[in-house]
Amino acid sequence: QVQLQESGPGLVKPSETLSLTCTVSGGSISGYYWTWIRQPAGKGLEWIGRIYTSGSTNYNPSLKSRVTMSVDTSKNNFSLKLTSVTAADTAVYYCARSSSSSDLDYWGQGTLVTVSS
Amino acid sequence: DIQMTQSPSSLSASVGDRVTITCRASQSISSYLNWYQQQPGKAPKLLIYAASSLQSGVPSRFSGSGSGTDFTLTISSLQPEDFATYYCQQTYSTPQTFGQGTKVEIK
Repeated sequence: QVQLQESGPGLVKPSETLSLTCTVSGGSISGYYWTWIRQPAGKGLEWIGRIYTSGSTNYNPSLKSRVTMSVDTSKNNFSLKLTSVTAADTAVYYCARSSSSSDLDYWGQGTLVTVSS
Repeated sequence: DIQMTQSPSSLSASVGDRVTITCRASQSISSYLNWYQQQPGKAPKLLIYAASSLQSGVPSRFSGSGSGTDFTLTISSLQPEDFATYYCQQTYSTPQTFGQGTKVEIK
């Protein structure tokens, strides 16, 4: 059974960089797209972007100037960096696997990141 | 970006009711449409992929239909564990986008 687990600081100061890692267990990271999604409290889901195991990326244009994703196949994990954060970036951040059908079939439990001084 | 619009935004229903949620895309997305269920405090769970394919392990009371711009999620007989928020998602093009969600509440 594939499992995903997000990790990283739960509190980030305004203007600093949010950094999260998603570790995949129970299966190989190779051959899939890996996706980041976020959800502000009480609101809907926002697709941040995805990375293939080759390193190829697609980012949401609304965040593209601030987002960088990377993958480490040797550690079976992938990462998200979001620069110059503001309070508007406060949300639960999820990582997920994109299946061959492009749906998100496995999700992490989510991690709350609060942007505050 | 492709806009996804769900209706209704919320609904009240009773156990045993048949429930239908619709999702409309701002342009044709063929069958690149998925449905998710989200319980409070939990990650979304995939229910339906490719518009009408039931994800493994999901009860058969859930079904999906549609293609092009108009899609439907149907719960044939609502169960207590089905009270949740439901989201559609298009994967036809990036950025992938979600509907705003439909909250199914107990009547």
